[in-house]
Amino acid sequence: AQSVTQLGSHVSVSEGALVLLRCNYSSSVPPYLFWYVQYPNQGLQLLLKYTSAATLVKGINGFEAEFKKSETSFHLTKPSAHMSDAAEYFCAVSDMGGGNKLTFGTGTQLKVEL
Amino acid sequence: SQTIHQWPATLVQPVGSPLSLECTVEGTSNPNLYWYRQAAGRGLQLLFYSVGIGQISSEVPQNLSASRPQDRQFILSSKKLLLSDSGFYLCAWSQGQNEKLFFGSGTQLSVL
Repeated sequence: AQSVTQLGSHVSVSEGALVLLRCNYSSSVPPYLFWYVQYPNQGLQLLLKYTSAATLVKGINGFEAEFKKSETSFHLTKPSAHMSDAAEYFCAVSDMGGGNKLTFGTGTQLKVEL
Repeated sequence: SQTIHQWPATLVQPVGSPLSLECTVEGTSNPNLYWYRQAAGRGLQLLFYSVGIGQISSEVPQNLSASRPQDRQFILSSKKLLLSDSGFYLCAWSQGQNEKLFFGSGTQLSVL
């Protein structure tokens, strides 16, 4: 069985500050890990995914995430927040070969303030 | 280009009434199709997935059912809604396994 835990249902940062959204996973087999973003009134979009290649994954809009097996973490970061980054972010896990049966976290609402 | 359509965007239904949510995909053939639900304060939960016409797999037992009458059409149904069926329902598609999911814009269902 797999699960993900997203610490912090709401995160607030100032524009230009570092964005750090936390995700820890639990999986009995090597995982695929994903970050999705949902902007207001829009569908979910894939930000980035880890599929056992490089442990540092770069995604769209300047986001990146690092897979740390020892910490079972896949935290999402962005060096400098922009107002347009305000959205809800979901971490998800699936097992390799499990197709797209993703298990999602509960989401983190990111607020960016001036 | 591929698009996914999901409707309605919002729906308010009384307890005991039937439900039909429809999702269609354009611009691709033989997609994998998925229904997810996000209940308040919880993560997205996979309800059903389909790898072809008439092929439905259910991930969790519940009051809902799904059907795939056409290659690019996926329908979520219920004969009698429960209060616990309230939530945000998302349809998604992918082209093959381990390919990224493309999500629809979702349906906010409120059962009163």
